[in-house]
Amino acid sequence: DAGITQSPRHKVTETGTPVTLRCHQTENHRYMYWYRQDPGHGLRLIHYSYGVKDTDKGEVSDGYSVSRSKTEDFLLTLESATSSQTSVYFCAISEYRGGNGEQFFGPGTRLTVL
Amino acid sequence: GENVEQHPSTLSVQEGDSAVIKCTYSDSASNYFPWYKQELGKGPQLIIDIRSNVGEKKDQRIAVTLNKTAKHFSLHITETQPEDSAVYFCAASISPSGGSYIPTFGRGTSLIVHP
Repeated sequence: DAGITQSPRHKVTETGTPVTLRCHQTENHRYMYWYRQDPGHGLRLIHYSYGVKDTDKGEVSDGYSVSRSKTEDFLLTLESATSSQTSVYFCAISEYRGGNGEQFFGPGTRLTVL
Repeated sequence: GENVEQHPSTLSVQEGDSAVIKCTYSDSASNYFPWYKQELGKGPQLIIDIRSNVGEKKDQRIAVTLNKTAKHFSLHITETQPEDSAVYFCAASISPSGGSYIPTFGRGTSLIVHP
């Protein structure tokens, strides 16, 4: 398995509180991604990073921010959590080698906002 | 942007039967089509992929076919086993070549294989 860890794995929080999810990789891959997974919606991209301090928005970025100060860490922050952000969050990494861009996914973080 | 439609959303088969999952895409520039398998409580994992210069690719009991003209691709699993039960996702993207690699995923198919 690719060396990707996510923390915490489970979190319950209240509406209006800030939440930070961490993704850590040991593969030295350039690209990192945050997805959310909801029933009937598949995987939707929140933000992604193409290098240290280089990030861009995905299709569902409202209410989320990210930071990447080191190659190995990609943080996802919910500034003020809402119930609509209850979801399972996956981090993924990828690198280009010979034209292949396979994404490796972390184990996920289940977030519940009450 | 790219739009990927995946069908069916749920597929129930008997052990030993074949299973087929179909996806369509909208952007004719897409040329890389991976398939992921997600087991309960885990992250998705790549099981097979195909590029647009290839019409079919096989790996043991799994095969993927691509019709560029019709813009659809399919996953075929033969001789299904209970351990094939999982959620399967298709995706489409432009093959990474140094720029950002942003695949668009289908909504997933829950495959249930009954013993």
